[in-house]
Amino acid sequence: KQEVTQIPAALSVPEGENLVLNCSFTDSAIYNLQWFRQDPGKGLTSLLLIQSSQREQTSGRLNASLDKSSGRSTLYIAASQPGDSATYLCAVRGETSGSRLTFGEGTQLTVNP
Amino acid sequence: NAGVMQNPRHLVRRRGQEARLRCSPMKGHSHVYWYRQLPEEGLKFMVYLQKENIIDESGMPKERFSAEFPKEGPSILRIQQVVRGDSAAYFCASSPGYNYGYTFGSGTRLTVV
Repeated sequence: KQEVTQIPAALSVPEGENLVLNCSFTDSAIYNLQWFRQDPGKGLTSLLLIQSSQREQTSGRLNASLDKSSGRSTLYIAASQPGDSATYLCAVRGETSGSRLTFGEGTQLTVNP
Repeated sequence: NAGVMQNPRHLVRRRGQEARLRCSPMKGHSHVYWYRQLPEEGLKFMVYLQKENIIDESGMPKERFSAEFPKEGPSILRIQQVVRGDSAAYFCASSPGYNYGYTFGSGTRLTVV
């Protein structure tokens, strides 16, 4: 059974810092991995999608990497801003889990002005 | 493109009533997924549907819950005889196919009183 773990559970940083969020998964047989952002009381916004054949994806100040063999992904946020404050969720689509996504518990990020 | 549309945004039901949650996928997306987020918990898969077919309902409670995605109209998640433990945020997502990322709706927050 696929399990997804995100570390740290919470993170508080001053504005302007570069930071890294970690995601690990137990079954490396995946189709893809997706990072989402969730604001309080809101839905999920897709940030980056990495296919299993890819090593990284970039969008603006965000960069996500994938090491499928070791079951790890990182989300790098450059020059953090208060507007980046949210919960960041990692989700994997496994080869043996059909079309479902398995989510981590998330990292709650607070960027202080 | 209006994205994934869910309604209502908030729903209050008394114990024993029925709750109907609606989801219209993005234009061109034929895969629909329902997830539930209990308070202080992660997102859990419930059901995966394509037009007129339930593909995977392994995450959905066997009793009181049902889902459909008719040929015309939105996908419906139906909860009969609601109980307090059904209070949660219910999210719908859609994708155009297996190797694509998910797009989530804003969710329906169900409160059972």
